[in-house]
Amino acid sequence: QQQVKQSPQSLIVQKGGISIINCAYENTAFDYFPWYQQFPGKGPALLIAIRPDVSEKKEGRFTISFNKSAKQFSLHIMDSQPGDSATYFCAAFAAGNKLTFGGGTRVLVKP
Amino acid sequence: KAGVTQTPRYLIKTRGQQVTLSCSPISGHRSVSWYQQTPGQGLQFLFEYFSETQRNKGNFPGRFSGRQFSNSRSEMNVSTLELGDSALYLCASRTSTGQDTQYFGPGTRLTVL
Repeated sequence: QQQVKQSPQSLIVQKGGISIINCAYENTAFDYFPWYQQFPGKGPALLIAIRPDVSEKKEGRFTISFNKSAKQFSLHIMDSQPGDSATYFCAAFAAGNKLTFGGGTRVLVKP
Repeated sequence: KAGVTQTPRYLIKTRGQQVTLSCSPISGHRSVSWYQQTPGQGLQFLFEYFSETQRNKGNFPGRFSGRQFSNSRSEMNVSTLELGDSALYLCASRTSTGQDTQYFGPGTRLTVL
């Protein structure tokens, strides 16, 4: 059972464009939603995270939007750069439980 | 602070063999989790250890086992290796099971021939 569904699986964006990745979850016990960035040959690195009592969180060019009623959240990468080319994973965590990951989105930023 | 370290980084084994992977968490972190990453299945949770006790377990066969030592270092063992066990095995640490931010190591790339 996939508890966190992530889309799209891959996307290509021009330099300077906006990358948007969407995730949906089912378990209402989830109370922490991190996004991880992974480069080839590296482990995932925490990018930005949000809790359900906040509808939006911005850190630099990265913004998470959260819709609690729809059980959806998304990552926006503004002014995408070639260095942003990586695989992005959304995840969800319930206290006392494990981190559940989405399937991942491979982002390619073309110069 | 040094990050999560994993050894070895690369490993090649043959079917039927067993393998042990090691993980050293960030200093002060007492929780260690293990994940298997494959192109087809993505990131799948194996198990989590805290204070030498297994706290959570994913849906993997009993061939996959782990342990944690008193210094929080953890090992993962896979016995009777199968071709499908070829994957990147990731270790992540956090301060405690109640603290949600996990920090990942670089992983061990296991290839089973």
